[in-house]
Amino acid sequence: AQSVTQLDSQVPVFEEAPVELRCNYSSSVSVYLFWYVQYPNQGLQLLLKYLSGSTLVKGINGFEAEFNKSQTSFHLRKPSVHISDTAEYFCAVLPGGYQKVTFGIGTKLQVIP
Amino acid sequence: DTEVTQTPKHLVMGMTNKKSLKCEQHMGHRAMYWYKQKAKKPPELMFVYSYEKLSINESVPSRFSPECPNSSLLNLHLHALQPEDSALYLCASSQGAGNEQFFGPGTRLTVL
Repeated sequence: AQSVTQLDSQVPVFEEAPVELRCNYSSSVSVYLFWYVQYPNQGLQLLLKYLSGSTLVKGINGFEAEFNKSQTSFHLRKPSVHISDTAEYFCAVLPGGYQKVTFGIGTKLQVIP
Repeated sequence: DTEVTQTPKHLVMGMTNKKSLKCEQHMGHRAMYWYKQKAKKPPELMFVYSYEKLSINESVPSRFSPECPNSSLLNLHLHALQPEDSALYLCASSQGAGNEQFFGPGTRLTVL
């Protein structure tokens, strides 16, 4: 079985400041990792993904994440946030060969003007 | 076309009604999914279709009945729902069942 832990349920940050949203996972097999963003009353949008290869992954809207196998982490970062980044962010893991994605509980990023 | 579309956007129904949610994708994806999402929670998987066959049913009550008429369409038939079934219902698709999923905007369902 696999699990995903998002340690922070809410992260307030001032506009133009950097942010890191933390995600740790556990799995007995190799996994694919994803970050999704959900704006109010909308579906989930894929921000970025790690399948294999380079551990630093760049996504849309200036976000990036780094896969750390030894620490089983996949933290999401952005060097300078904007008001429009206010949303819920979900980390997700998909074990290789499986069909079912496991989501973390989500982190609400609140950007303060 | 890189979108997953869902209709209707909003739905209000009584407990004795029968209604259907629809989902469509034209990306050639062969796996499609239904999720239920309650407020301030992550999506919960309900059903997975792979190559138009039901491959996962997460012990969903029979008042929810999925249907996959073809590789582009996915329906969710609703009957005799309860107020606690009120939620955002999300459809997703992926190239195969082990690939990243693309989500639709969801249907906001309210059961009175």
